[in-house]
Amino acid sequence: DAGVIQSPRHEVTEMGQEVTLRCKPISGHNSLFWYRQTMMRGLELLIYFNNNVPIDDSGMPEDRFSAKMPNASFSTLKIQPSEPRDSAVYFCASSLGWVDTEAFFGQGTRLTVV
Amino acid sequence: AQSVTQLGSHVSVSEGALVLLRCNYSSSVPPYLFWYVQYPNQGLQLLLKYTSAATLVKGINGFEAEFKKSETSFHLTKPSAHMSDAAEYFCAVSDHLGETSGSRLTFGEGTQLTVNP
Repeated sequence: DAGVIQSPRHEVTEMGQEVTLRCKPISGHNSLFWYRQTMMRGLELLIYFNNNVPIDDSGMPEDRFSAKMPNASFSTLKIQPSEPRDSAVYFCASSLGWVDTEAFFGQGTRLTVV
Repeated sequence: AQSVTQLGSHVSVSEGALVLLRCNYSSSVPPYLFWYVQYPNQGLQLLLKYTSAATLVKGINGFEAEFKKSETSFHLTKPSAHMSDAAEYFCAVSDHLGETSGSRLTFGEGTQLTVNP
């Protein structure tokens, strides 16, 4: 398996624009996680899905953020409208969902909002 | 809720010296614990995990960690640091939320390891 695949790797956008980040989890994994990493806040869990169902979105910072998982092989994280403070590295991770199994991370999307 | 605390946001060692990165956990049930490493501009990758089979866990790149219930600790060690070990290290604990909700990892704040020549 190619691992967790995220696209794009880098995104530069202007304030107010819509941004969509994409993730393809490892085949067979039941859980998918979206994280945000910044120098100030470290690694934050934004939302996670189990069997394509959102389980906990309490980490989503504002209504400007939304995430979907229409099927087991694809998820999106959307920011609309984007703001400079959204600049961060966004990671997607997937796992089998059992308590003793690790999460596998993608390479991340570095988002810059100017 | 379970949590982990990493003591020391920055650790600096000389090449060839012992590496010790500290992690303490808080859990009401037997924990499942993980160490991840993040190299610059990359995602996190698993170093090792503790799942109650053995208290001393060996991982990749010569790292190991020992689970100590009496101290609620899971410190990461490596006998001899290499320049390539310079990275950020994260400790994590797994939370099982139920049959339909699966499990999630809760990460510590990370420790940046610097290796000096």
